[in-house]
Amino acid sequence: EVQLVESGGGLVQPGGSLRLSCAASGFTFRNYAMSWVRQAPGKGLEWVSAISNTGVNTYYADSVKGRFTISRDNSNNTLYLQMNSLRAEDTALYYCAKRDSSGYYRPFDYWGQGSLVTVSS
Amino acid sequence: EIVLTQSPGTLSLSPGERATLSCRAGQSVSSSYLAWYQQRPGQAPRLLIYGASSRATGIPDRFSGSASGTDFTLTISRLEPEDSAVYYCHQYGISPQTFGQGTKVEIK
Repeated sequence: EVQLVESGGGLVQPGGSLRLSCAASGFTFRNYAMSWVRQAPGKGLEWVSAISNTGVNTYYADSVKGRFTISRDNSNNTLYLQMNSLRAEDTALYYCAKRDSSGYYRPFDYWGQGSLVTVSS
Repeated sequence: EIVLTQSPGTLSLSPGERATLSCRAGQSVSSSYLAWYQQRPGQAPRLLIYGASSRATGIPDRFSGSASGTDFTLTISRLEPEDSAVYYCHQYGISPQTFGQGTKVEIK
């Protein structure tokens, strides 16, 4: 059974940093591209960042480019999102999402339950 | 970026009725790269349809998708109480990948 379990969220002041983790199990992690997608309270879905199965290629939404860094550890089946210079508008539930293949241009076939990030003073 | 506009905002129907949800792309999107997700209250999204019309694993056949140019449709042929959710379309063919704003389906 595929499982994606996010952790690392919490309350942080504007300008602060957080690192989210996503522990993956139930599939061969190194074979699949992964992404982070966020959902602000009561709002829709927003793609944040993506990474290829090898970790060589990374992609970012303009709203987070230069502030967020996606990475992965294929030996430990874990996806990360380092978030710096956080803003109030980054407040959201952050989902880890698996693509259905190694490719970037593929849908998300599994999602975690999310990790809540709140940016407030 | 490609804007996806979903309509209606809310759909209120009775069990057994047919629901038709629309997603219109602001520019050309290959039908190979359009997905639909279901998000029930308090839950993560679930993939229903990919490639505009292919059902994901385990999705009942009362869910179907179609495409015509820049217009995409999700049809739920016979609504059941558990179909109460927000439905999102997602284009993954052109970067940045984008989502529609969602259609809420309410079961009377």
